[in-house]
Amino acid sequence: QLQLQESGPGLVKPSETLSLTCSVSGGSVSSSSYYWGWIRQPPGKGLEWITSIYYGGTTYYNPSLKSRVSISVDTSTNQFSLRLTSVTAADTAMYFCVRGLPGGAAAPVAYWGQGSLVTVSS
Amino acid sequence: QSALTQPAAMSGSPGQSITISCTGTSSDVGGYNYVAWYQQHPGRAPKLVLYDVSQRPSGISNRFSGSKSGNTASLTISGLQAEDEADFYCGSYTSTYTWVFGGGTRLTVL
Repeated sequence: QLQLQESGPGLVKPSETLSLTCSVSGGSVSSSSYYWGWIRQPPGKGLEWITSIYYGGTTYYNPSLKSRVSISVDTSTNQFSLRLTSVTAADTAMYFCVRGLPGGAAAPVAYWGQGSLVTVSS
Repeated sequence: QSALTQPAAMSGSPGQSITISCTGTSSDVGGYNYVAWYQQHPGRAPKLVLYDVSQRPSGISNRFSGSKSGNTASLTISGLQAEDEADFYCGSYTSTYTWVFGGGTRLTVL
């Protein structure tokens, strides 16, 4: 059974870079059948799609975050990672790593990690 | 991309049916039959309950059904049960190859 687990600092200072890693078990990030991605949820608010990646390097980014976001896959560790630069308090959120159903970019997210709360504060 | 529009809150009594709407634009909801709905209980990750407008993943009750007309999609829950009380989010594939979500609807079972 697929399991996703986020890890990374829970506190990041303003203007610094947020880095999170998602460890995958029960599946392989090398599969090209579906995408891996990140979604965030500010406290008490709704969901926001951040980015997705297919093995082979195709990436998609939320246009509003594109200039600050990058996503990568590490097949040697079966993990994928998120980097968000120049963070502000508005980036405080629960960050979920996710996987889509088999298919293209139009496939919905079907698997979620438990989430990692990241607070941006000095 | 702007968030999809959902009612902030809805309520219903056990056994009743409720319908949650989700309004977008021709660049998302209206342009594709790729609308999904998620249920989120407090402190938990969202759970997929419908996709491709009206398809149910394995294990999801047939009390959940979906439809779409123009730029508005809808989730109907029939035979409301106490366990249905949760936040519900719609999501849509968009013309930028990403997904956009609604602001969420808090469903209360009276």
